[in-house]
Amino acid sequence: LAKTTQPISMDSYEGQEVNITCSHNNIATNDYITWYQQFPSQGPRFIIQGYKTKVTNEVASLFIPADRKSSTLSLPRVSLSDTAVYYCLVGVPYNQGGKLIFGQGTELSVKP
Amino acid sequence: GAVVSQHPSRVICKSGTSVKIECRSLDFQATTMFWYRQFPKQSLMLMATSNEGSKATYEQGVEKDKFLINHASLTLSTLTVTSAHPEDSSFYICSARGGTPAGGEQFFGPGTRLTVL
Repeated sequence: LAKTTQPISMDSYEGQEVNITCSHNNIATNDYITWYQQFPSQGPRFIIQGYKTKVTNEVASLFIPADRKSSTLSLPRVSLSDTAVYYCLVGVPYNQGGKLIFGQGTELSVKP
Repeated sequence: GAVVSQHPSRVICKSGTSVKIECRSLDFQATTMFWYRQFPKQSLMLMATSNEGSKATYEQGVEKDKFLINHASLTLSTLTVTSAHPEDSSFYICSARGGTPAGGEQFFGPGTRLTVL
């Protein structure tokens, strides 16, 4: 499983766009990139998944460059409720089963 | 979406006692369930994978005799922490994966906070 590296923490203010970058230099050809969000004292929840280029859903966007050695989760106009830990995972698609190996995650703090 | 519950949400026990945590898939049949533990300010660590009707597969370094996992039905898995000690205090999270409507996606429970005195 490819190792991932993310910033340990980030601070932002309400209404700003937040970009969290994840490095995964050893990503395999068949690997997908998946992001999860975890609020304190809760289980993680799926945010977004992509393989290449750009993916967008109602919550976030995921940008993946051509070499796929990194990816950036973009959260538009964050609010206080976006304060959470964000995990970048690399491996099988999230909806095809298998183990999920979580890295250290990025603790995002959104301030008023 | 699919819902996974855990019970209890919090438990405090004395050192040396055993504690059982339940993980239930409420609206789908979970052929596979996973158990994680999470220490404060740390990431989730996968402990074991259990398939319904068979023995759990433990990750390296996880004591199978201390963390007993039973996946007796398609909607219930239990984790029993035997002879708990203060160092077992942690946040235990389960996830479940199964067939329709869940497909292959893992859905996580809300977690159980275990405190061993």
